[in-house]
Amino acid sequence: KNEVEQSPQNLTAQEGEFITINCSYSVGISALHWLQQHPGGGIVSLFMLSSGKKKHGRLIATINIQEKHSSLHITASHPRDSAVYICAVLAGGTSYGKLTFGQGTILTVHP
Amino acid sequence: DAGVIQSPRHEVTEMGQEVTLRCKPISGHNSLFWYRQTMMRGLELLIYFNNNVPIDDSGMPEDRFSAKMPNASFSTLKIQPSEPRDSAVYFCASSQERHQPQHFGDGTRLSIL
Repeated sequence: KNEVEQSPQNLTAQEGEFITINCSYSVGISALHWLQQHPGGGIVSLFMLSSGKKKHGRLIATINIQEKHSSLHITASHPRDSAVYICAVLAGGTSYGKLTFGQGTILTVHP
Repeated sequence: DAGVIQSPRHEVTEMGQEVTLRCKPISGHNSLFWYRQTMMRGLELLIYFNNNVPIDDSGMPEDRFSAKMPNASFSTLKIQPSEPRDSAVYFCASSQERHQPQHFGDGTRLSIL
């Protein structure tokens, strides 16, 4: 079993829909990252969080440390949100920033 | 500010050839990471440098892979000899400190024929 599991693996939505991508992990962590990878291949860090919730524009990330679970929400989705969303965890106690990655969620938003 | 710069963007070469991938981290960042991304295995850490010193190379798949960071502004990942199974996208990332977000380069798409 992978240390980081994402669901769903594939997600198709209509423009305007509210989207949720989930990430569960099995190890103690000090932080969790949400990354976005567009079809061109570049990877962008969206959020890094260790507790609570963060919001940036239409994107919201939450984390529950006790339940070892994080969610990424996209409100009022748009076709330009189509990308692969990757959850990555920074294991607790790690002396440096080694990330363990989920397998990614492929999001397609149709106009 | 310029982001992480990788070169080349694409590389196609025949098996057995030496391949060198290059990375310039963001100025002031003291942590540098090399990752490999494949369809089968997703993103995997190959090696991590802190202040130009390799800290963890446990992800380097074989002795054919080597990485150097001769100074704070340059790193290389070398594969010699290359094999078709090395075909992947190789990303370099840097961060200011260990718990800061990592900034990724655009990647090098490597194809070994």
